[in-house]
Amino acid sequence: AQKITQTQPGMFVQEKEAVTLDCTYDTSDPSYGLFWYKQPSSGEMIFLIYQGSYDQQNATEGRYSLNFQKARKSANLVISASQLGDSAMYFCAMHTGFQKLVFGTGTRLLVSP
Amino acid sequence: EAGVTQFPSHSVIEKGQTVTLRCDPISGHDNLYWYRRVMGKEIKFLLHFVKESKQDESGMPNNRFLAERTGGTYSTLKVQPAELEDSGVYFCASSQGRNVYNEQFFGPGTRLTVL
Repeated sequence: AQKITQTQPGMFVQEKEAVTLDCTYDTSDPSYGLFWYKQPSSGEMIFLIYQGSYDQQNATEGRYSLNFQKARKSANLVISASQLGDSAMYFCAMHTGFQKLVFGTGTRLLVSP
Repeated sequence: EAGVTQFPSHSVIEKGQTVTLRCDPISGHDNLYWYRRVMGKEIKFLLHFVKESKQDESGMPNNRFLAERTGGTYSTLKVQPAELEDSGVYFCASSQGRNVYNEQFFGPGTRLTVL
């Protein structure tokens, strides 16, 4: 069975600093995708970044990068130069051939001025 | 291009009543998914449509939940009768194609409160 673990219920970071949100996963399927979504207080789920299991390089999207360590089964999200608008819940998710997403419990990030 | 839309945004009902949630996926997306987040817990998969067919309904909690996608366009999720533990946020998502790497686009969710 697939499982996503996010061990940080809450994280604090100062504006302009970098922050790493942890995510570990478990699957026996060799083909899978890893996603990060942001959920601001307004409730919508915003796609941030994607990493495929066969991708050789770590994914990057603007200030977001994914630190993918396949041997350790980790897919940590790194946000560089944090902004106040980054305060939100962040969910790590995975899907395999069955397409349904399996989510972690989320990490609430608070960016302070 | 319009995103995934859901209606209503918020519903408050009493235990035993019926509620129907609606999801309009992005036009042209064959895949439609329903997820639910109960307060404080992770977001959990409910079911997956490919066009009008149920591809995977392994996450449906019990037979009080009925999902339909007539004509392969919008989908409805009916809860009848609603129980207190059904409270949560119900998300719909859609994606194109059958590639495992297809991004799922989420709607804003429907917050259901059962009193």
